Amino acid sequence: EVQILETGGGLVKPGGSLRLSCATSGFNFNDYFMHWVRQAPGNGLEWVAEVRNKNNNYATYYAASVKGRFTISRDDSKSSVYLQVSSLRAEDTAIYYCTRSDWLYYFDYWGQGVMVTVSS
Amino acid sequence: DIQMTQSPASLSASLEEIVTITCQASQNIGNWLAWYQQKPGKSPQLLIYGTTSLADGVPSRFSGSRSGTQYSLKISRLQVEDIGIYYCQQASSTPYTFGAGTKLELK
Repeated sequence: EVQILETGGGLVKPGGSLRLSCATSGFNFNDYFMHWVRQAPGNGLEWVAEVRNKNNNYATYYAASVKGRFTISRDDSKSSVYLQVSSLRAEDTAIYYCTRSDWLYYFDYWGQGVMVTVSS
Repeated sequence: DIQMTQSPASLSASLEEIVTITCQASQNIGNWLAWYQQKPGKSPQLLIYGTTSLADGVPSRFSGSRSGTQYSLKISRLQVEDIGIYYCQQASSTPYTFGAGTKLELK
């Protein structure tokens, strides 16, 4: 059974940082691209970042709204993906979901999400 | 960036009714289109990918279609468990953009 579990959310002041973690199991992690998608309270879905697999040179991609402030990475030995979020702004307040895709870029399994609140 | 314009924003329908939600892509995305369902307090779930293919376990009353750059999700006979918010997503190029969502309620 595919399992995806995010941790690391919380309340942080504007300008602060957090590291979100996503632990996975139940599938061959090395075969998949991993993504973070966020959802601000009462709003829709926004794709945030992607890290591809070893066969694709661990290439990373970011939404313009987070580029330069967020860093996605993965540890294949731990079947985990991370999102370092820095220089946080109020508009980064959201549930952050970890999700996977293959080369077709459809998100077929999602974690339960982790809440990040940016407030003074 | 590719914009996905989804309509309607909300929809009220009766049980067993046919429901259709549409998404208009701002440019050609071929068949690189997915639909997700999100129930209150839950994570999104993949319903349809590649414009017309049903994800595992999705009931056959759901179907997807395309006409040019307009994409449609159809629920043939609305059931109580179909209530939620539906999103389209283009998978043609980064950033992978979503529609704004359609909130489906029971009349």
